[in-house]
Amino acid sequence: AQKITQTQPGMFVQEKEAVTLDCTYDTSDPSYGLFWYKQPSSGEMIFLIYQGSYDQQNATEGRYSLNFQKARKSANLVISASQLGDSAMYFCAMRERASSGSARQLTFGSGTQLTVLP
Amino acid sequence: ETGVTQTPRHLVMGMTNKKSLKCEQHLGHNAMYWYKQSAKKPLELMFVYNFKEQTENNSVPSRFSPECPNSSHLFLHLHTLQPEDSALYLCASSQVGSPLGSEAFFGQGTRLTVV
Repeated sequence: AQKITQTQPGMFVQEKEAVTLDCTYDTSDPSYGLFWYKQPSSGEMIFLIYQGSYDQQNATEGRYSLNFQKARKSANLVISASQLGDSAMYFCAMRERASSGSARQLTFGSGTQLTVLP
Repeated sequence: ETGVTQTPRHLVMGMTNKKSLKCEQHLGHNAMYWYKQSAKKPLELMFVYNFKEQTENNSVPSRFSPECPNSSHLFLHLHTLQPEDSALYLCASSQVGSPLGSEAFFGQGTRLTVV
């Protein structure tokens, strides 16, 4: 089964509007972290926001906020006041607890291509 | 320089060529990763190095050979590749033992085309 599911291959939003990118995840580990990355056409993966499984409040970073619904296992990214520069691929990722001393790797979803329209 | 640097940014190689991708991180991290990103697919983890030791090899064909001479450098040696190996290859680093929320930092990737 897929650990991270992003059901929207592409999304369009009007400049200055808000947009929600969906992400659901699957894990049996009670301790995990959820991440969102942005990948512009240049290729670099840019970290946007993080939500820990035990965090009581939804994470926010500037125009980015994470709508974390633990019972539904969803971690949707909300971008407010969209800008043309927000056009990019957006990836949801999860890191589960690793055994002591071993590197923790991220599991990524398939991504959502966001296009901001002028 | 800061962050994670990958060279070259673009590479075109024939199926009989041998080439290497280089990754360097200036963040003091102790874990490094190679990911493959093919069109319309999620990122696929290829290799993990933890304190210079390879801790994971996700069933990657032997035509891809990683090398981690120290905790700051990571190479991916390529030989006799196939056209389906054409993809964006991303290097990342992170700090083992840090909180779960420590993000991985990525390089800009090497866009590889096998002809």
